[in-house]
Amino acid sequence: DTAVSQTPKYLVTQMGNDKSIKCEQNLGHDTMYWYKQDSKKFLKIMFSYNNKELIINETVPNRFSPKSPDKAHLNLHINSLELGDSAVYFCASSQYRRVLAGELEQFFGPGTRLTVL
Amino acid sequence: GNSVTQMEGPVTLSEEAFLTINCTYTATGYPSLFWYVQYPGEGLQLLLKATKADDKGSNKGFEATYRKETTSFHLEKGSVQVSDSAVYFCALSLSSGFQKLVFGTGTRLLVSP
Repeated sequence: DTAVSQTPKYLVTQMGNDKSIKCEQNLGHDTMYWYKQDSKKFLKIMFSYNNKELIINETVPNRFSPKSPDKAHLNLHINSLELGDSAVYFCASSQYRRVLAGELEQFFGPGTRLTVL
Repeated sequence: GNSVTQMEGPVTLSEEAFLTINCTYTATGYPSLFWYVQYPGEGLQLLLKATKADDKGSNKGFEATYRKETTSFHLEKGSVQVSDSAVYFCALSLSSGFQKLVFGTGTRLLVSP
């Protein structure tokens, strides 16, 4: 049973294209996140949604648009892809109530490696 | 601002050697501290955590103690195995509810037989 899944695992595309990455979690969590990991392994949060509402937006270019159709899904759409968007993108989830109780684990997906040519 | 600084890698050890990966942090307020591990080709997994000063987190033989006086959370293991080869990330969180993790740059550990 995959807890947090992402599709696709690999994505190779040309500069200027529009692409989407999908994330789904079956843990019953109400909070989901997108992180970007660059070539030096530096990991930075991009967005977070709680119950389909945006709660964290870390100065990401507006070419990146997250969409949360329901609590179990958080998709990432990227317009006009640029070379600098090449990275591994990780989705993660947690449960707000459990975080308040000190159970602070975020569960990560396996990542999507995006290569922009 | 809030930040985490980790020692640069890679750290290369022989099996059964002692491991230390240094982590220091800067934060406003009282953060919770974490170590996450990323095995090759996989996402991050929580290894251990500590939520207040002097707490010790431990898991799978790894330990780290929350030291407020030195703002540190160094990761240690007494005897590493080849299977411990991975990238280790130190992180902090200041949010009590909508948890925002701030990660260090990661330290790659390579253990040889």
